[in-house]
Amino acid sequence: AQSVTQLGSHVSVSEGALVLLRCNYSSSVPPYLFWYVQYPNQGLQLLLKYTSAATLVKGINGFEAEFKKSETSFHLTKPSAHMSDAAEYFCAVSVGGGATNKLIFGTGTLLAVQP
Amino acid sequence: DAGVIQSPRHEVTEMGQEVTLRCKPISGHNSLFWYRQTMMRGLELLIYFNNNVPIDDSGMPEDRFSAKMPNASFSTLKIQPSEPRDSAVYFCASSRTSGGARETQYFGPGTRLLVL
Repeated sequence: AQSVTQLGSHVSVSEGALVLLRCNYSSSVPPYLFWYVQYPNQGLQLLLKYTSAATLVKGINGFEAEFKKSETSFHLTKPSAHMSDAAEYFCAVSVGGGATNKLIFGTGTLLAVQP
Repeated sequence: DAGVIQSPRHEVTEMGQEVTLRCKPISGHNSLFWYRQTMMRGLELLIYFNNNVPIDDSGMPEDRFSAKMPNASFSTLKIQPSEPRDSAVYFCASSRTSGGARETQYFGPGTRLLVL
């Protein structure tokens, strides 16, 4: 069965520092992987997704993630954190086949950005 | 383009009352998902529909919960009777199905439910 594990429920960085949010997946088939962001009192918004094309995926707001099959990882990074990046981030894997795009979400990582 | 629309945005009710949450998916999307988010359990998929047909309702907690999708532009999630442990944020999401598992789900703003 497919699943994702997000290491670190809370991450704190200083403004301008590197952001690294970790996600490891488990899948018996080549996975499709997603990162979503949730700002306070809002719904989830797609940051980026891996769909078996390029292993380095660039998303919105300067975020990117690299798919590493050997490490079963899909970590999210951003070179320089902004205060506006403070939010909760969810990694997800798409399960099922055919027309199904059911998502299994990780437990989320709350990112705090210190001035 | 209007996104996924949910109503109401906030609902406060008393235990035992019926609660109905509503969702309008993005036009042209033929998959619809209902999620529940709590601090304790995170984000859980309750049920999803393809072309208005329920495909997987294994996440529905119990018989007090029911969901319908009478047409491509409307879905409801009903809780009857409601209990305090149902307090959560309920999200609706929609997507196309043409790309299968690689399609993006688009989320609504959520309904924050408090059952007293």
